[in-house]
Amino acid sequence: DTEVTQTPKHLVMGMTNKKSLKCEQHMGHRAMYWYKQKAKKPPELMFVYSYEKLSINESVPSRFSPECPNSSLLNLHLHALQPEDSALYLCASSQVGGGGTGELFFGEGSRLTVL
Amino acid sequence: EDKVVQSPLSLVVHEGDTVTLNCSYEVTNFRSLLWYKQEKKAPTFLFMLTSSGIEKKSGRLSSILDKKELFSILNITATQTGDSAVYLCAVEVDNYGQNFVFGPGTRLSVLP
Repeated sequence: DTEVTQTPKHLVMGMTNKKSLKCEQHMGHRAMYWYKQKAKKPPELMFVYSYEKLSINESVPSRFSPECPNSSLLNLHLHALQPEDSALYLCASSQVGGGGTGELFFGEGSRLTVL
Repeated sequence: EDKVVQSPLSLVVHEGDTVTLNCSYEVTNFRSLLWYKQEKKAPTFLFMLTSSGIEKKSGRLSSILDKKELFSILNITATQTGDSAVYLCAVEVDNYGQNFVFGPGTRLSVLP
C-alpha cells in the first residue's frame, strides 16, 4: 500500500467555522508533512511531524493547528480562517533518516475555499 | 536560507522536441534531490538523486545530479502532449528537522 489518503477532497467554509483536514498513510513512514499550495506556485511547507512530534513549524498562523494522534494519522484543524487561506492543502509522508531518505509521497490534496 | 531555483519557469515546445529543465540549489545539510511532475492534483514522483554523475532513466525521461556545481537537469526526449505539466524540483535537507524545499517549478506545454 503506497498511498496517502486525504479527506475531504473539497471543503468550503465560512470565516467563523471550525473544520479539520485528515490524512492517513500505512507505509510505516514516521515523518508526515502539511504543505499549502496556491495556484501556479510550488508547495510551501507548513508543518513537519517526526516520530509523532512536531519538528518544524514554519511560522504558520495559530488559526491552523496540526495534530498527529498516531504514526498513521495527521490532522490539520482549521478555525477562523481568512479568504487568503484558500488553497490546495497537501499531506505527505516519508521515511526518517539520513543519506536521502527516499521519496516524499503526496496525498491528492484537500482543496479549501474560505468564503 | 535554503533555496532551490528552476529554469526556465515556463517552456512551450512541439511534440517530438527534446527539452532540458534545470534545477540549482543552495542548501545546508543536503540529503537528496527529487523531481516531481504535477498536473492538476498532487505531485507525482519521477526521480530521486543522491550521488553525482549517475544518470537515472525512466523511458523518455532522464536526470543527473552534479553535487559539486549544485545542480540537476531533467531531460525529456521525444516530448508528447501528455508531458505537459509543471515539473518541480525538491531538495531534501535536514536543518533542525527533515524537510523538502521546493523550487518554483517549470511549466512545460507541449503542443501537437
